[in-house]
Amino acid sequence: QKEVEQNSGPLSVPEGAIASLNCTYSDRGSQSFFWYRQYSGKSPELIMFIYSNGDKEDGRFTAQLNKASQYVSLLIRDSQPSDSATYLCAVPGNTPLVFGKGTRLSVIA
Amino acid sequence: SAVISQKPSRDICQRGTSLTIQCQVDSQVTMMFWYRQQPGQSLTLIATANQGSEATYESGFVIDKFPISRPNLTFSTLTVSNMSPEDSSIYLCSVDPTGVTGDTQYFGPGTRLTVL
Repeated sequence: QKEVEQNSGPLSVPEGAIASLNCTYSDRGSQSFFWYRQYSGKSPELIMFIYSNGDKEDGRFTAQLNKASQYVSLLIRDSQPSDSATYLCAVPGNTPLVFGKGTRLSVIA
Repeated sequence: SAVISQKPSRDICQRGTSLTIQCQVDSQVTMMFWYRQQPGQSLTLIATANQGSEATYESGFVIDKFPISRPNLTFSTLTVSNMSPEDSSIYLCSVDPTGVTGDTQYFGPGTRLTVL
């Protein structure tokens, strides 16, 4: 059974700071990794996916993957109050994706 | 990607009744899934809706309680039967357009159900 672990938070950061969200996974064979954002009362929306070791940048978001350590992270630069949400990490199962429980991020103005 | 709509967006129901939730996708998709998300909790997979055959249910979920239909590649329904207050939750339809393991999933806007 594949597992995805995330710190539930809440993680509080001041506006303008870098928010760092972390995720570990159990299946060493996992090849792709996804980050979803879920605002309160809304459905999850895809932010980024990453397949290769290293960093992948998209605007203020950077996903970092370390397959040897079975660790994937999401960095949010210049955090804004509008980034306050729950961030879900996901890895492939047999389908569908296996989701972590999510980390709640609060950006304080 | 895929554009997904769900109906109803929310409902308040009485104990013992049933509600059918519809999920419509703007394109043909291979895989469709139904999730439940109780307040403050993470996503829980209910079942995979299989086109032309019976749904595949996860542990703890049964067909009598959550019957699912999938008549074609763009549409599915989930019925919550004989409801109790414990069924109050957000129900989410999700699709994997390609069905390729490791590919992206997209979510509908959800149906917020309150059972009195």
